[in-house]
Amino acid sequence: GAGVSQSPRYKVAKRGQDVALRCDPISGHVSLFWYQQALGQGPEFLTYFQNEAQLDKSGLPSDRFFAERPEGSVSTLKIQRTQQEDSAVYLCASSPAVNTYGYTFGSGTRLTVV
Amino acid sequence: AQTVTQSQPEMSVQEAETVTLSCTYDTSENNYYLFWYKQPPSRQMILVIRQEAYKQQNATENRFSVNFQKAAKSFSLKISDSQLGDTAMYFCAYIMDSNYQLIWGAGTKLIIKP
Repeated sequence: GAGVSQSPRYKVAKRGQDVALRCDPISGHVSLFWYQQALGQGPEFLTYFQNEAQLDKSGLPSDRFFAERPEGSVSTLKIQRTQQEDSAVYLCASSPAVNTYGYTFGSGTRLTVV
Repeated sequence: AQTVTQSQPEMSVQEAETVTLSCTYDTSENNYYLFWYKQPPSRQMILVIRQEAYKQQNATENRFSVNFQKAAKSFSLKISDSQLGDTAMYFCAYIMDSNYQLIWGAGTKLIIKP
């Protein structure tokens, strides 16, 4: 696609519910990143994929968070048993490789846990 | 550890005026890259400008320019002839050479008044 596409745009979940957030990166982009952005804050790194390999998941805040990219394109971030502190915007970014030219971001999914 | 600091939570200027957003960072690395990203209400992070630390010349992109002071670890963004569409959150970010994790500041909310 022309850009990084994320869905849903908004998600309201009841506490304890599982959610799945989707990221469709730019076609051919090898690297894919997930970031969490709390209200009024800068993004915080969650995880990094190179093709289908998850090379870094050090930013995932708990074992309730799980990300996958099984075919090296679309990625899903899953949050199990959501808590109120999980409320945030989840941003996905991709790039042709690991590079220092800046990444292309999607418009994010705003998750609200009630 | 690398950190990025944006000391201005919010700024407001009249349309057509010039505005400067501040950013300082802390690193012991010699080779790195700095970015300014714009995040409008649509939430998509848009790359505004990029600076390579080993280049002394300040980067410019149309109405956007930076003042990069490597010794002082300062990286300010100047927006000339500001427009209503410049209203957004602006984030300063840093990445170490041969790394992939962007380190972000907390952002500055810029409001352009008609």
